[in-house]
Amino acid sequence: DQQVKQNSPSLSVQEGRISILNCDYTNSMFDYFLWYKKYPAEGPTFLISISSIKDKNEDGRFTVFLNKSAKHLSLHIVPSQPGDSAVYFCAASGNAGGTSYGKLTFGQGTILTVHP
Amino acid sequence: SAVISQKPSRDICQRGTSLTIQCQVDSQVTMMFWYRQQPGQSLTLIATANQGSEATYESGFVIDKFPISRPNLTFSTLTVSNMSPEDSSIYLCSARLDTATDTQYFGPGTRLTVL
Repeated sequence: DQQVKQNSPSLSVQEGRISILNCDYTNSMFDYFLWYKKYPAEGPTFLISISSIKDKNEDGRFTVFLNKSAKHLSLHIVPSQPGDSAVYFCAASGNAGGTSYGKLTFGQGTILTVHP
Repeated sequence: SAVISQKPSRDICQRGTSLTIQCQVDSQVTMMFWYRQQPGQSLTLIATANQGSEATYESGFVIDKFPISRPNLTFSTLTVSNMSPEDSSIYLCSARLDTATDTQYFGPGTRLTVL
């Protein structure tokens, strides 16, 4: 049972344009969501997160939107740069910290290619 | 964020042998995690390693195959035992640095090939 799904295996975008990566989840107990970027031969790098009490979180060029009713989140990258080319994973957890278990469930990943 | 390192970065092993992967965090953390990323797949949690207690394994992973140690607040090891080619994967450790969130930070990974 895939509780976190990224239905687009790949996305190709022109430099300077917006990249929109999408993620859907099925478990209504998830209340904390994250995006990671992964280059080949490296570990995932944390990008941005959002708690379920918010619907938007912004950090520089990266904005994450959360639609709880649709169980959908998206990552917007504006403007896209060739260095953004990587695999992007969304992840979700069932608690927002404290003494929670802290387990992350990952999507399958989306390969983003930004063309110069 | 903290610096998380893993050793070895890669290894090629023979079937039936075991490999121990080390993970070092440059600050004290309560929760550390071990993941596997098989070729073309997502990250799958193997187990959670808390200092001072037995590791908690996810469905499909057992202690005999993936024994874990967590001797202190900055270090953990994962052993892949009696390896087969199906164990060829990237193995990643991560740490939860801030108990106020579930954000995890990852090491660079260990690329294991079993012949």
